[in-house]
Amino acid sequence: AQKVTQAQTEISVVEKEDVTLDCVYETRDTTYYLFWYKQPPSGELVFLIRRNSFDEQNEISGRYSWNFQKSTSSFNFTITASQVVDSAVYFCALSEAGGYQKVTFGTGTKLQVIP
Amino acid sequence: KAGVTQTPRYLIKTRGQQVTLSCSPISGHRSVSWYQQTPGQGLQFLFEYFSETQRNKGNFPGRFSGRQFSNSRSEMNVSTLELGDSALYLCASSLPEQYFGPGTRLTVT
Repeated sequence: AQKVTQAQTEISVVEKEDVTLDCVYETRDTTYYLFWYKQPPSGELVFLIRRNSFDEQNEISGRYSWNFQKSTSSFNFTITASQVVDSAVYFCALSEAGGYQKVTFGTGTKLQVIP
Repeated sequence: KAGVTQTPRYLIKTRGQQVTLSCSPISGHRSVSWYQQTPGQGLQFLFEYFSETQRNKGNFPGRFSGRQFSNSRSEMNVSTLELGDSALYLCASSLPEQYFGPGTRLTVT
């Protein structure tokens, strides 16, 4: 069975601080996808990134970066120089590959950025 | 491109009633997934449809059902509503990353 663990329930940081959101996953599949989504107070889930299991390259997109390590089954997300607009709940998710979209979500990490 | 749309956005129903929620995916997307989000259980997968066929189903009772039409629009039905069905129901269309709609907030009284 697939499982995604986001051990950090809530994090508070002061604006401009860097923050890392942890994600640990479990799967028996050798091919899978990992995702991060953002859910702002408005409620709509926003897709941030997809990574497939064969691509362990880290990725940077502006202030966002992701560190994927298969050896530790982790897919961590770092926000550099956090801003108030980053305040949201962030979900890590996992799905098997092959086109079948049964996605398992973590419980989410609520990030509060204090001005 | 228009995003995923869900109707209605808010709904209040009484225990024992049934409800139908609608989702229109992004144009060209053929896969539609449904999720239930509650404070206690988080985001839970309900089912996924592709080309009018249910390909995957989560661990929900048979009161939860869905269907997809030839234009990829999907509906989700919950019969015999229970108080615990109060939740945000999210629909997503996918590529494989999923693009979510704004959700339907269902309150069962």
